[in-house]
Amino acid sequence: LAKTTQPISMDSYEGQEVNITCSHNNIATNDYITWYQQFPSQGPRFIIQGYKTKVTNEVASLFIPADRKSSTLSLPRVSLSDTAVYYCLVADSMDTGRRALTFGSGTRLQVQP
Amino acid sequence: NAGVTQTPKFRVLKTGQSMTLLCAQDMNHEYMYWYRQDPGMGLRLIHYSVGEGTTAKGEVPDGYNVSRLKKQNFLLGLESAAPSQTSVYFCASNTVEGGYTFGSGTRLTVV
Repeated sequence: LAKTTQPISMDSYEGQEVNITCSHNNIATNDYITWYQQFPSQGPRFIIQGYKTKVTNEVASLFIPADRKSSTLSLPRVSLSDTAVYYCLVADSMDTGRRALTFGSGTRLQVQP
Repeated sequence: NAGVTQTPKFRVLKTGQSMTLLCAQDMNHEYMYWYRQDPGMGLRLIHYSVGEGTTAKGEVPDGYNVSRLKKQNFLLGLESAAPSQTSVYFCASNTVEGGYTFGSGTRLTVV
């Protein structure tokens, strides 16, 4: 299983760009990297997923270097509503090709006015 | 388009009582999962299912049972509730290519 390591917490201010880095040294060839966002009292919400290089959507960008041993979630111009816990996950390919994600403790992002 | 619906949203049980949590999804997803989340912690996988009629154990399966009799439903049962099972329970579903869609959770307290 590919274990992930990410900072426990981060602080930022509105309008700033936030970069959250996740380490996954044991990532396997077939594994994907996925990020989720969770607000209090809600289930996690899928943000972005990637395999290599850069992926961008309307919410965030995901940067993955060539060795894939880490990844960086980039949130442009954060607002107060981006205050949440962010989880970095590496897809765990089961024998039959399924993916049962293993969640760590995540990074608690606090955005200040 | 309800997505993933969990019932009930809240429940208080006495030690030793039993109950069933229901998860229903209307997205025709093959895979479904049950997670628990304790205060300040990440999610831990209890059981999961890769299709109708199939189930498998996750990281913390003890004390729980599941059934997937219909593709759209995934039931989580507690036969004899214990205070250690006080938690928030989340159901999720996905296809093999897609990200998870989570329900809004069931807050269970066992006294």
